[in-house]
Amino acid sequence: GIQVEQSPPDLILQEGANSTLRCNFSDSVNNLQWFHQNPWGQLINLFYIPSGTKQNGRLSATTVATERYSLLYISSSQTTDSGVYFCAPRDNYGQNFVFGPGTRLSVLP
Amino acid sequence: DAGVIQSPRHEVTEMGQEVTLRCKPISGHNSLFWYRQTMMRGLELLIYFNNNVPIDDSGMPEDRFSAKMPNASFSTLKIQPSEPRDSAVYFCASSPGTSGFGELFFGEGSRLTVL
Repeated sequence: GIQVEQSPPDLILQEGANSTLRCNFSDSVNNLQWFHQNPWGQLINLFYIPSGTKQNGRLSATTVATERYSLLYISSSQTTDSGVYFCAPRDNYGQNFVFGPGTRLSVLP
Repeated sequence: DAGVIQSPRHEVTEMGQEVTLRCKPISGHNSLFWYRQTMMRGLELLIYFNNNVPIDDSGMPEDRFSAKMPNASFSTLKIQPSEPRDSAVYFCASSPGTSGFGELFFGEGSRLTVL
């Protein structure tokens, strides 16, 4: 099945800083999502982005499917951005969403 | 609109007892997924259904686990007998469409502790 890597595994930022999270995947995908798991354990949809670029407020994401990676940008980070960020591509064959190991982000006041 | 609804939110039970977790997907969604999250293994797929039919159950750990979807608005995940290593957060998620396209939405999870 598809393999998913995320980097960095851990990230500590001062409030107001910018960051880029990366997701690499090993095979063709027809779907990719980014999720934020907040400190209470809720999995919140950030982006549905099989290709191209999308923006939502301080967050944006880019997926380059032909090169098998996706990036999540967080600008002017806030303490409420803390948590774990997962990418989940869905392969063309199994139709299963495969989750990466996540990037744990801590934003300090 | 109501999201994916899971129950119970928390369950504490003793080893050997039967556990049943319940899920109501978003109305109109054709695909339903059960995931398990642990510190050691992260988020892993247990089973998923398209149009109430199980498609891939290769992630189900062993025969102690079973899942059903008797209709489009209800699914259960059962563990019998439960063991301490089953302690985890179990998430249900649903997605519109069955062709591989469509956004995945999660419930709030059921935290299971087996003593």
